[in-house]
Parts: sequence; C-alpha cells; structure tokens
Amino acid sequence: DIQLTQSPSSLSASVGDRVTITCRASQSISSYLNWYQQKPGKAPKLLLYGTSSLQSGVPSRFSGSGSGTDFTLTIASLQPEDFATYFCQQSYTNLRYTFGQGTKLEIK
Amino acid sequence: EVQLVESGGGLVHPGGSLRLSCAASGFNFRTYHMHWVRQAAGKGLEWVSAIGSADDTYYSGSVKGRFTISRENAKNSLYLQMNSLRDGDTAVYYCARGHTSTYSLDYWGQGTLVTVSS
Repeated sequence: DIQLTQSPSSLSASVGDRVTITCRASQSISSYLNWYQQKPGKAPKLLLYGTSSLQSGVPSRFSGSGSGTDFTLTIASLQPEDFATYFCQQSYTNLRYTFGQGTKLEIK
Repeated sequence: EVQLVESGGGLVHPGGSLRLSCAASGFNFRTYHMHWVRQAAGKGLEWVSAIGSADDTYYSGSVKGRFTISRENAKNSLYLQMNSLRDGDTAVYYCARGHTSTYSLDYWGQGTLVTVSS
C-alpha cells in the first residue's frame, strides 16, 4: 500500500503568513495527489486535484506543486478562515486511495 | 445541486452488524465511482472502500472480509454492510463521490456516526 506522510503535523501561523505543507509518498504517484481542508465538525472539502488544479470556488491563494513522491500545498497569505486541518490523498492506485495523517493549522 | 446524505449509523455491540446508506441526488449516480471514508474522533481520515461504475469493489486492509460495499443505481443509493464490528471501527463514516476524470473526492456527505461499544 502507498503511504503518505505529511509534515508538519501541526503548524502555528499568523494572518497574512505564507504557509507550506508537505506530503511525501512512499512510492511514485505521478501527479495523482489531491488536497482537502477540514474544519471541526464538518466534512472535508476538496481544494486541489491532480497536484495543482484548483477546485471550483477555491481562492487562488491556495496552490499546489510536485510530482513523483514529493508534493506541497502553499497558502500565499493566510486568512482567518484558512485555519483548519489539511489532508493530502493519493488516487494513483486505481480506486484504492490513502490519506496523509493531516496537518493542523492553528492561529499563532 | 449534488447532495449526499448518509444514514444508518448508531450504537452496536462488538461483533455486531450495521448497514450504512448514502442517498445521492443532483448527478448521474450510475456513472460515478463512490467511496466510504471514516474518521475516528480526533483522528485523521481513513479510506475504507470504493465501488466503481462497473460494480468493481475495493477495500482497505482493515475492513476487507468484514465490510461489503454495494450500490443500487435505480435508487441512487450507496451502501456499506459492516459485519464483525470492532471497537476500532468507531468513527464518523462519510460517503464521497469520486470524480470520473480527476479521481478526487469532490463531494462529501455530512457523515454518520458509528459507535461500537459493549
């Protein structure tokens, strides 16, 4: 099974900061990497698919990059509504998906 | 508008069974692959199972042999039959739609809570 490791597990930042979260796959997954945002008590929300494509309605301050085994999610200028937990997910292995363990983004 | 509504969660004893349902609307259900994802309290997301448009099925190692995913296209419904439940299966269970070209999970239900406890 493909394992995804996110770093850091938690992060404190301020409004206006630029933040980067990393996701590393245990083997190459090409560009089959998606990112989700989850707020407490809510279902996850798709942010980016195919490594770098922005889901409809998602602000352009979110961006993604990478390929193979190393991927990043960047938030260019943190807004108050961005404080949440972020998960990466691979869709390389047919329909047998896996998620990273999550990165909790907190207000400093 | 795409909607996914889960139901069927509740309290069950270890070793018991439960069947979750997910009612879909607002899209051509039969053409999409569908997934179940779970989340234990305070933990991360765990992919559980998926079913393709051709009824091909996939399971995580932790539920294979105990859970069965199925779909009923005429009713726009997704199911998860859960047998031999364990304490570790306690979680909120989400159904999610798999996008046919991006293979992302683009719509999610609100979740249903399954509690396995004696």
